[in-house]
Amino acid sequence: EPEVTQTPSHQVTQMGQEVILRCVPISNHLYFYWYRQILGQKVEFLVSFYNNEISEKSEIFDDQFSVERPDGSNFTLKIRSTKLEDSAMYFCASREPGNSNQPQHFGDGTRLSIL
Amino acid sequence: DAKTTQPNSMESNEEEPVHLPCNHSTISGTDYIHWYRQLPSQGPEYVIHGLTSNVNNRMASLAIAEDRKSSTLILHRATLRDAAVYYCILRTQGGSEKLVFGKGTKLTVNP
Repeated sequence: EPEVTQTPSHQVTQMGQEVILRCVPISNHLYFYWYRQILGQKVEFLVSFYNNEISEKSEIFDDQFSVERPDGSNFTLKIRSTKLEDSAMYFCASREPGNSNQPQHFGDGTRLSIL
Repeated sequence: DAKTTQPNSMESNEEEPVHLPCNHSTISGTDYIHWYRQLPSQGPEYVIHGLTSNVNNRMASLAIAEDRKSSTLILHRATLRDAAVYYCILRTQGGSEKLVFGKGTKLTVNP
């Protein structure tokens, strides 16, 4: 069964450094998402992306964050200048075309640790 | 986003049925009921969704009350692999793309 893959599985970065988290969504999917989950807390929506532009973003997704689909397969989340509070699991998700009730398929996440 | 209420935790024995409840008393007519689960150290996983009628798939069944103010996710024979946090989420047809996760129900399955 096709799946969403995320790399790396664990990223350790010094505070203030830039980090790029990578995702390969399922190949025929057109809607892409990033969520995060701080240890012990709820899964939180960050951003949705469709037709090469952001369609919705949360308050968490400030100017330090950006997303890109640089080619036909990858979907990336960049954090420009990381803070300690950015430490979390970051999940990428995608869904196929159609109405918004199509299920979102999640990767297993990248654990981001900011030192 | 319409609110859902779930028990914090439930326990079951392996190979027995599990009924996970969800209350959504403020549900609107265009809200679909979605269930996702999150196994330890994994991303969330779609389980099932429905609007008014009961739904079945290979993973589970979804029973929706006639007034739609509550629903129950049914795992017919729990396995150890079903131990996870289960989330009941309302999604408005044509509305926001985001999934709003609550705390969910942590299901423990005893061997």
